[in-house]
Amino acid sequence: GQNIDQPTEMTATEGAIVQINCTYQTSGFNGLFWYQQHAGEAPTFLSYNVLDGLEEKGRFSSFLSRSKGYSYLLLKELQMKDSASYLCAVSLNTNAGKSTFGDGTTLTVKP
Amino acid sequence: DAGVTQSPTHLIKTRGQQVTLRCSPKSGHDTVSWYQQALGQGPQFIFQYYEEEERQRGNFPDRFSGHQFPNYSSELNVNALLLGDSALYLCASTLLTRDRLSYNEQFFGPGTRLTVL
Repeated sequence: GQNIDQPTEMTATEGAIVQINCTYQTSGFNGLFWYQQHAGEAPTFLSYNVLDGLEEKGRFSSFLSRSKGYSYLLLKELQMKDSASYLCAVSLNTNAGKSTFGDGTTLTVKP
Repeated sequence: DAGVTQSPTHLIKTRGQQVTLRCSPKSGHDTVSWYQQALGQGPQFIFQYYEEEERQRGNFPDRFSGHQFPNYSSELNVNALLLGDSALYLCASTLLTRDRLSYNEQFFGPGTRLTVL
């Protein structure tokens, strides 16, 4: 079966750093996606990790450990607009379409 | 570039009815995937279409069917609607790749909010 776990909710302060963790147990693994989803909107792509290590992209970084079935998304210099749901998704093969999603972490950024 | 578009935006149906949702992929994309997202949950993969054929399928009953047209647009059909089918239905498009180390970003449409009464 497929199992992806991430915290349901997190709260952080504007300007701070927050780390959102994701653990997974899936039958098949090619890579791991992180998406941002604002309420009532579609998910938007943030990052994709295939190899172990840290990928940095501006204020957002994503880390993957394949041996531990673990990833995290790191958000720096938090802004109010970063308040959203953050979805971790495992790509089961080379095809990005068939992805298994976690239920998302709702991040609330407070002033 | 209009990105991924979906229609309708909202839809209300009653139990037992049938519904058809439509999706036009982002320009240059050839693969369309459909997801169901219940409130407070992550998207659940329904199926994927490539070259006008269903290539992959998630754990959804046969009441869920689809089609892809030569212009890569796609439809999702749901028969015999149940209350539990109420959800946001997301369409996502990408360009198929078989290179394990690369990826082609998957773009999501705005979704169709289906309510079954």
